[in-house]
Amino acid sequence: SQTIHQWPATLVQPVGSPLSLECTVEGTSNPNLYWYRQAAGRGLQLLFYSVGIGQISSEVPQNLSASRPQDRQFILSSKKLLLSDSGFYLCAWGRGNTIYFGEGSWLTVV
Amino acid sequence: SQQGEEDPQALSIQEGENATMNCSYKTSINNLQWYRQNSGRGLVHLILIRSNEREKHSGRLRVTLDTSKKSSSLLITASRAADTASYFCATDAGGGSNYKLTFGKGTLLTVNP
Repeated sequence: SQTIHQWPATLVQPVGSPLSLECTVEGTSNPNLYWYRQAAGRGLQLLFYSVGIGQISSEVPQNLSASRPQDRQFILSSKKLLLSDSGFYLCAWGRGNTIYFGEGSWLTVV
Repeated sequence: SQQGEEDPQALSIQEGENATMNCSYKTSINNLQWYRQNSGRGLVHLILIRSNEREKHSGRLRVTLDTSKKSSSLLITASRAADTASYFCATDAGGGSNYKLTFGKGTLLTVNP
């Protein structure tokens, strides 16, 4: 069966510091990969998606970037965090119509 | 921009009652899905209904889709305290790009024991 791992689960980072959130998927190959962000009391906003290694599409202009160095690895990064980057970040994988989510990473920028 | 909008934003019921949540969307879709999110956790896929389907059942869940009104409803029958969660509808972008899902803001369901 397929599983998705996302880490770290929680982090508190100062403004201006870098960020790296990592996500890996097991039990499948060539999945579509996604990063979503969920601000408090709001829905999910699609940040990036990838249909293959090195193929990244950005949905919204922002302070973040994504990379897919391996087939089942998806990384969300920032060189300098802003206060507005705080939120709940969810990695997901999908094939066809359905998307499956990881457990999320809580980021607080202070 | 968000494609789906759930209604109501919050719903509080007693255990054993039925819960109905609605979702409206704006553009054509290939399918519509419902997800559930427990507080502070990832989303879990519940059910998918295709644009050519009008109703679908899965256990205590019943989903309807009215493409003419661009709306869907999720009914949870005989609710339990464990059903307390946020429920989101998600739509694909239509036109074959169904690898992207757009989510609404969700309905927070509280089932009181």
